[in-house]
Amino acid sequence: GQNIDQPTEMTATEGAIVQINCTYQTSGFNGLFWYQQHAGEAPTFLSYNVLDGLEEKGRFSSFLSRSKGYSYLLLKELQMKDSASYLCAPLDSNYQLIWGAGTKLIIKP
Amino acid sequence: GAVVSQHPSWVICKSGTSVKIECRSLDFQATTMFWYRQFPKQSLMLMATSNEGSKATYEQGVEKDKFLINHASLTLSTLTVTSAHPEDSSFYICSARVREREQFFGPGTRLTVL
Repeated sequence: GQNIDQPTEMTATEGAIVQINCTYQTSGFNGLFWYQQHAGEAPTFLSYNVLDGLEEKGRFSSFLSRSKGYSYLLLKELQMKDSASYLCAPLDSNYQLIWGAGTKLIIKP
Repeated sequence: GAVVSQHPSWVICKSGTSVKIECRSLDFQATTMFWYRQFPKQSLMLMATSNEGSKATYEQGVEKDKFLINHASLTLSTLTVTSAHPEDSSFYICSARVREREQFFGPGTRLTVL
């Protein structure tokens, strides 16, 4: 079957760094997306990895290891507005996104 | 990035009525659009895949007669919730696929059925 595993909730301090891990099992693999979703809003695109390694984009970086079925999202210099849910979504062999429940990130001053 | 709009943003209706939600790709053509439903604190659940000019493909457990999807043009897909009941109250989100991989999401429609 297809499965996504992320921590349910994480707490971090403003200005700090946090790493959100994701392990996945899918039928085929065509890359992995990270989305940010604020409460009551639709997801917004953060990053896409299809090859192994680290992709850096400003304060956010995403890492992928296809052999391990593992990815992480790294958020630096945390701001209060980063409080949101972060969704790891691999793309399966049919190019469909597979969604987990996401990780709720709480930023404290 | 590509822009996807949804209308209405929120709707409140009485039980038994039908509600239509529109999803538009504003600055690109989308041959494939997706409809999702999300209950509070739960993951996005794919309801159906909508391809322009053909019938939608529904996920297992989604009633095609209750959730009518029409993708009449390359920029518009509609979801009609027929004979809505309180258990249909949810956050409905559409997305449009630009290329094989990229999906852009609409802002979502919050449906409350009284």
